[in-house]
Amino acid sequence: QVQLVQSGAEVKKPGASVKVSCKASGYTFTGYYMHWVRQAPGQGLEWMGWINPNSGGTNYAQKFQGRVTMTRDTSISTAYMELSRLRSDDTAVYYCARDNCTNGVCYVVYWGQGTLVTVSS
Amino acid sequence: SYVLTQPPSVSVAPGKTARITCGGNNIGSKSVHWYQQKPGQAPVLVIYYDSDRPSGIPERFSGSNSGNTATLTISRVEAGDEADYYCQVWDSSKVVFGGGTKLTVL
Repeated sequence: QVQLVQSGAEVKKPGASVKVSCKASGYTFTGYYMHWVRQAPGQGLEWMGWINPNSGGTNYAQKFQGRVTMTRDTSISTAYMELSRLRSDDTAVYYCARDNCTNGVCYVVYWGQGTLVTVSS
Repeated sequence: SYVLTQPPSVSVAPGKTARITCGGNNIGSKSVHWYQQKPGQAPVLVIYYDSDRPSGIPERFSGSNSGNTATLTISRVEAGDEADYYCQVWDSSKVVFGGGTKLTVL
């Protein structure tokens, strides 16, 4: 069965960077895009971007352009999301999520367990 | 960028029907997907491509999409349906979520 297992909770200071990992299993890692979605406390879901694990190509939400970098290591079926210049309002649960696409239309099927990133001085 | 608008909250009595709307410009021309999220848990897909149900999702969950509004309908609502619900579309190769609707079962 498909599983996405994320790295553990992080506490960072403002201005620092955080890198969250997402190890995939149960399917062909390079066959599906991996998305990153975050959720601040008490708030809704916010899409950050995707990475094509096959090519390494990325597409980021405009809000995060210049601050987010998504990468992957196909040898270990793991995707990464790094967010730099952290601010207190980056405190959130960060999810990786695998999509399914048909005829160019995509939706998220499988979600990781989430990684809490706390930004505090 | 494309915007999806959901009501912040919907309340319904057990056994009744809940309808959660998702508004967007000509959303009927797009495929809409719905997620359920309970406190402390990751979201779960409940409807995809407007009205398809993943395996394991009860038939009480259904969806429709036309014009400027997509609707998630939950029939015979149970206490366990209390959760946040999000609509989602794919627009210009990006994922767009609605703001979410909190469903309260009275």
